[in-house]
Amino acid sequence: EPEVTQTPSHQVTQMGQEVILRCVPISNHLYFYWYRQILGQKVEFLVSFYNNEISEKSEIFDDQFSVERPDGSNFTLKIRSTKLEDSAMYFCASSPGMAQETQYFGPGTRLLVL
Amino acid sequence: AQSVTQPDIHITVSEGASLELRCNYSYGATPYLFWYVQSPGQGLQLLLKYFSGDTLVQGIKGFEAEFKRSQSSFNLRKPSVHWSDAAEYFCAVGARQAGTALIFGKGTTLSVSS
Repeated sequence: EPEVTQTPSHQVTQMGQEVILRCVPISNHLYFYWYRQILGQKVEFLVSFYNNEISEKSEIFDDQFSVERPDGSNFTLKIRSTKLEDSAMYFCASSPGMAQETQYFGPGTRLLVL
Repeated sequence: AQSVTQPDIHITVSEGASLELRCNYSYGATPYLFWYVQSPGQGLQLLLKYFSGDTLVQGIKGFEAEFKRSQSSFNLRKPSVHWSDAAEYFCAVGARQAGTALIFGKGTTLSVSS
């Protein structure tokens, strides 16, 4: 069964550094998403992406964040200058873009900012 | 405001006993409804979903959920819990449009005692 994959599974970085989180969505899916889950809190939506454009974004997704589909398979989330509060689990998801949409999630990347 | 409430933060159930996890939502339009499960260190796995039609939906691992429009609820049930069901369970709502955010509840942690 096709799955969303994410790399790395864990990343530790220093405050102020740039990080890029990578995702490979399910191959025939058209919509891609990033969510985050700060430890002990709910899963929060960051951004959705379709046809090489941001479709929707939350107020969390400020200028420090960007997304890109650099090739036909990868979908990335970049955090330009990490802050301590960016420490979280980041989930990528994809959906087919049809009626009765279901988002399928990857295993997540645990980001720790020191 | 759109929101999902899972009133129970933590539930402990004996193995073999029945389970019901509660979920209430507030959403402007008719939503799609989902239950996801997260095992420790793992990503979000879709358990089941409701789009329309029969208000009792079946999912994987023997779970079912019932949509009650009048109560704005989508409670998850399982007749006989197994130790492997210990995990965190998230209820989520989404719009009937691709590319839109899922709104998650804070989750319910299920512990299973022997």
